Amino acid sequence: ETGVTQTPRHLVMGMTNKKSLKCEQHLGHNAMYWYKQSAKKPLELMFVYSLEERVENNSVPSRFSPECPNSSHLFLHLHTLQPEDSALYLCASSQDARTGAGETQYFGPGTRLLVL
Amino acid sequence: KQEVTQIPAALSVPEGENLVLNCSFTDSAIYNLQWFRQDPGKGLTSLLLIQSSQREQTSGRLNASLDKSSGRSTLYIAASQPGDSATYLCAVNTGNQFYFGTGTSLTVIP
Repeated sequence: ETGVTQTPRHLVMGMTNKKSLKCEQHLGHNAMYWYKQSAKKPLELMFVYSLEERVENNSVPSRFSPECPNSSHLFLHLHTLQPEDSALYLCASSQDARTGAGETQYFGPGTRLLVL
Repeated sequence: KQEVTQIPAALSVPEGENLVLNCSFTDSAIYNLQWFRQDPGKGLTSLLLIQSSQREQTSGRLNASLDKSSGRSTLYIAASQPGDSATYLCAVNTGNQFYFGTGTSLTVIP
């Protein structure tokens, strides 16, 4: 048990749908992250939140919209996605966003997204 | 920009064999390097974290080494077991971000 949960675990959506991914961490951490993991590619950092404020946005298309209502919850709102957005979306948390020497991230199980 | 490479991309070994996974990174200015394990369809589980000032870390049958100046790390798995079958990822922490490799997919054959 990593202390980071994600729902749903699997999602199939059409390109015109709107859906949301949810992440919750039970570790008392201050920072939360969204990553995209595509086949044969390294994990891509999408967004970083620290104390509910977005501190990093790695040139992610606007069809992905993050929301962090409090330090324990993180959402990724999806709309008008493309088939190439199909991937495993991983949420992670860490004590702080400044990834210092001893810092590590704790990952959720991911949401497997398929866009048709 | 930091780039992390893992070789080989896939590895298949018989049970009981010792094996080495490799990770290289282009910029030696790192805070630490971490090895993760990922089971199919699952998230990442941290295995070992090596600080930039350290040379190696050990946990059970796992030993990770770090040569920061040459930009290399290895993960040594002793006496491999079928339960070790998974994808192993390394990640370097630059202080602002973690950069991940594409992983090595390991299959241990009973």
